[in-house]
Amino acid sequence: GAGVSQSPSNKVTEKGKDVELRCDPISGHTALYWYRQRLGQGLEFLIYFQGNSAPDKSGLPSDRFSAERTGESVSTLTIQRTQQEDSAVYLCASSSSSGGIPEQYFGPGTRLTVT
Amino acid sequence: AQKITQTQPGMFVQEKEAVTLDCTYDTSDQSYGLFWYKQPSSGEMIFLIYQGSYDEQNATEGRYSLNFQKARKSANLVISASQLGDSAMYFCAMREPLVDYKLSFGAGTTVTVRA
Repeated sequence: GAGVSQSPSNKVTEKGKDVELRCDPISGHTALYWYRQRLGQGLEFLIYFQGNSAPDKSGLPSDRFSAERTGESVSTLTIQRTQQEDSAVYLCASSSSSGGIPEQYFGPGTRLTVT
Repeated sequence: AQKITQTQPGMFVQEKEAVTLDCTYDTSDQSYGLFWYKQPSSGEMIFLIYQGSYDEQNATEGRYSLNFQKARKSANLVISASQLGDSAMYFCAMREPLVDYKLSFGAGTTVTVRA
């Protein structure tokens, strides 16, 4: 079956521009997560969606960052007025709530470069 | 405060030998889960192994085993019979409490397997 997909795979943008990153989770997965990974570092949690519940936005670094999810499907992470420190790989993950190992399945990531 | 600590930034291991990657964690919850992920140079995050805090047996998955010492709050990953394809970044992560929720990641350990 299809895994988590993300688009674009690479994005180069000029400082000050807005960008939108897309995530398609695994079908049927109710939970969706966004993480940021700076070069050579671990993953930082950004935001979490679970079904129709209010998202947990506690990891968003500033009000320039926002995310939406339509039901239990696609999610979009938007970064407004991009800064050079936003350069990173943005990873999306999804998971099922049906029991068993609570593994998160990750997408390939979007590499964002702000020039 | 750092929740996951991986003290080894990089390690070299000879092919066919075993290697232990250290991970210590910090939580006041009794119920939590510990994960190890592998990230090859291609960037995808690959789930390796999971240990629940109430699991009495150490988790094993093929050549991977998790040395779980609850009192010491450590969850070391052991890779036996290393292969060249094991060269990658390895991340320890924790989920707390034990619901479908965000992962806190360590900084990672880079493993290089030598022929």
